[in-house]
Amino acid sequence: GAGVSQSPSNKVTEKGKDVELRCDPISGHTALYWYRQSLGQGLEFLIYFQGNSAPDKSGLPSDRFSAERTGGSVSTLTIQRTQQEDSAVYLCASSRNLVAGELFFGEGSRLTVL
Amino acid sequence: KNEVEQSPQNLTAQEGEFITINCSYSVGISALHWLQQHPGGGIVSLFMLSSGKKKHGRLIATINIQEKHSSLHITASHPRDSAVYICAGNSGGSNYKLTFGKGTLLTVNP
Repeated sequence: GAGVSQSPSNKVTEKGKDVELRCDPISGHTALYWYRQSLGQGLEFLIYFQGNSAPDKSGLPSDRFSAERTGGSVSTLTIQRTQQEDSAVYLCASSRNLVAGELFFGEGSRLTVL
Repeated sequence: KNEVEQSPQNLTAQEGEFITINCSYSVGISALHWLQQHPGGGIVSLFMLSSGKKKHGRLIATINIQEKHSSLHITASHPRDSAVYICAGNSGGSNYKLTFGKGTLLTVNP
């Protein structure tokens, strides 16, 4: 696609439910990143992928968070047993590779946990 | 203490003014990103630089790796420049695990 696409753009869920957020990066970009932006807070790194591999998952806030990437393309961020503190905008970005610089961001998925 | 500090946190200017936003970092980085986020909008990458200066239109970014400092300048500011400007440092020569500043909210009044 022409840009990074994220879905859903908005998700309202009840506490305790599982949610899946999807990111479709720019075609040919091998590096993909997930970030979180909570209300009034700065951007927080969650996880990155080089191809289908996620070498470092230490940025994930808890074991309720997981992410995968298949075919070197689409990535899914899954949050299990959502809590109110998970409410945030989840942003995905991609770049040509880990070294080559420019980041291209999606519009984000706004998650609200009631 | 955040490893990447921006100043000012908020900046209000009149149209046409020259704007400077500063970014200092305590971590060792190999490159620094400047990002722009419009209210309710997505994030756009403005610059990635590891040395010297880059210019794009009315925007200029400079970095001094030794002093661990970067600046973003906007010449002839315009109300459409109103946005949050974020700097982020990457270590290890890759985009892996960017450390973000908290952002500078710029408002340019007509």
